[in-house]
Order: sequence, then C-alpha cells, then structure tokens
Amino acid sequence: AQTVTQSQPEMSVQEAETVTLSCTYDTSESDYYLFWYKQPPSRQMILVIRQEAYKQQNATENRFSVNFQKAAKSFSLKISDSQLGDAAMYFCALINAGNNRKLIWGLGTSLAVNP
Amino acid sequence: DGGITQSPKYLFRKEGQNVTLSCEQNLNHDAMYWYRQDPGQGLRLIYYSQIVNDFQKGDIAEGYSVSREKKESFPLTVTSAQKNPTAFYLCASGIRGRNYGYTFGSGTRLTVV
Repeated sequence: AQTVTQSQPEMSVQEAETVTLSCTYDTSESDYYLFWYKQPPSRQMILVIRQEAYKQQNATENRFSVNFQKAAKSFSLKISDSQLGDAAMYFCALINAGNNRKLIWGLGTSLAVNP
Repeated sequence: DGGITQSPKYLFRKEGQNVTLSCEQNLNHDAMYWYRQDPGQGLRLIYYSQIVNDFQKGDIAEGYSVSREKKESFPLTVTSAQKNPTAFYLCASGIRGRNYGYTFGSGTRLTVV
C-alpha cells in the first residue's frame, strides 16, 4: 500500500527566513509523481510544486523548491524568503502512474509565519 | 477564466435529509473527484470519475452517491445514510492520463443541524 507521512503537524518561521517541511512516502511503483499543495485559510487547495520520480533534478517554483531523495523516499519542501501569505496548511501527495490513479495524501503541516 | 465552481459555499442539512453538492468545471478535464476533509484526518476520497457515465467508489463512499452525466458536472449527494456528514467537501478535476496535479474548487462546508 502507498503511504505519505508528514511528521511535523505544526511549524513556524520568521518572515523572510527559510523553512523546510518534511514528507516521506512509500510506494512499490517505480513511476510516480509527488506534489505539494497549499491550503490557506480560504481552504482553496492550491498546487505549489510537482516532481516526477524519474527526474533527478529537484523541482523549483520561485521561492519554493524540493529536495527529492528517491532512495530514501523523501520529498521535502523548502520555502525561501517566507512571506505572511505563505501561512497555510501544506499537504504532500503521491500518485502512481498506473491505470488506477488516485492521489495519496499526507495529513498536512500547519505553517505559521511570524512577522 | 477556467476553473471549478462548487456551490453552495455553506450548506445546512436537517437530520434525515438528502442534500446535493454541486461541482462544475470548464477546464475540459476528463477526471473529477470528491474529497471529504475533517480536522486531523487530511483528505479522504469519496468518489471519482474518469469519464462520463462512469464512476468508482473511493475510500469512504458509504452514505454518498454521485452521477456523471456530463463531462463538466459531478454532483455529490449526501444521503441520510451518512452518519456523520458534517465536514468540508472538496471537488477536484484532472486530465486523465496526465499527472499534472488536480485543480480544486473552493469547497462546501456542510453542517447537520
């Protein structure tokens, strides 16, 4: 069975600082994709970043980057120059590239940004 | 602009009533999904559909029903058989066969009164 684990229920960061959110996963598939989603207080789920498992290069999107360690099955999210608008729940998710594709979700990390 | 529209934003249901949550998308996505979100439990999949007139149960389908008569629409009915329906419900869509991630609606908060 596939699982996604986020071991940090809550984290905080000072504005303009850098924070890293952890995610580990387990899958027996070799072809899969990993995602980080952000859910702000509005509760709209927003895709932050996406990583293909077959790519060694870590994905980046502006201030957001990942550290993808395939052998360790680790997929952490780094937020640089944190802004007040980054305060949200962050969810890590996994999808296998097979026919029965469903996102497997972690339980989320609540990030607070302190001014 | 393309996107997913969920309505209503807030919904109140009396005990024993069925209610239907609307989800409409104009993204031309084949696949659509319904999730339930409860505090501390993350997102749990209720039903999903990858093509019109076809849908599959997710992990917590009991007490829910869906239909997919049109590509754009995937309504969710919460029946009286659902014992604890108070939750936040999210609808999502995606491109079948592509792993670009899902697009989500803004959600419906259902409360049983």
